[in-house]
Amino acid sequence: QQPVQSPQAVILREGEDAVINCSSSKALYSVHWYRQKHGEAPVFLMILLKGGEQKGHDKISASFNEKKQQSSLYLTASQLSYSGTYFCGTDNAGNMLTFGGGTRLMVKP
Amino acid sequence: EPEVTQTPSHQVTQMGQEVILRCVPISNHLYFYWYRQILGQKVEFLVSFYNNEISEKSEIFDDQFSVERPDGSNFTLKIRSTKLEDSAMYFCASRGGSSSGANVLTFGAGSRLTVL
Repeated sequence: QQPVQSPQAVILREGEDAVINCSSSKALYSVHWYRQKHGEAPVFLMILLKGGEQKGHDKISASFNEKKQQSSLYLTASQLSYSGTYFCGTDNAGNMLTFGGGTRLMVKP
Repeated sequence: EPEVTQTPSHQVTQMGQEVILRCVPISNHLYFYWYRQILGQKVEFLVSFYNNEISEKSEIFDDQFSVERPDGSNFTLKIRSTKLEDSAMYFCASRGGSSSGANVLTFGAGSRLTVL
């Protein structure tokens, strides 16, 4: 069963912040975040393996609440290059990732 | 940096024709995947492959689909008799193994399939 992402779309001005949420109805082993630019392959951002884990990469960070079976991706001081579709992928200790429906992020100057 | 290579980048075919999409995963990776993305929609899992056999497959992966690893490097997806609704971007992905850091899926650039 696929995870649910919210919001479906976000429009920001450069420098603004955004939060993208990902929740699952099943217990999660790990959560993966990817960004996809139009016409390109998804590119790995980060993976969270343990409940309570938080990670950061430049001004993009994420948290994983294992109990609530959800993860959030935080984009601070957004840049034009952050535009794209963000997907969370959840791993239920199986062999594959199941991706959410995606969140389209557009950063305007 | 190692990458997953896919060919062709774009294929146009007539409905009912067979199509083979090819992938060269990262050389020391153990798990191989095919995903599909219909234009503007989410990335959908098709099949995973480990130790020379299918380990999981989705409902989309019906009898029209098959995968093969004919030699030590290539990983192919065959669609026997294409339908209009098979038009999509097909992504191959691979990952190393079960250890930490090896869980990351690396995607190829995709093969766009257009069925007329």
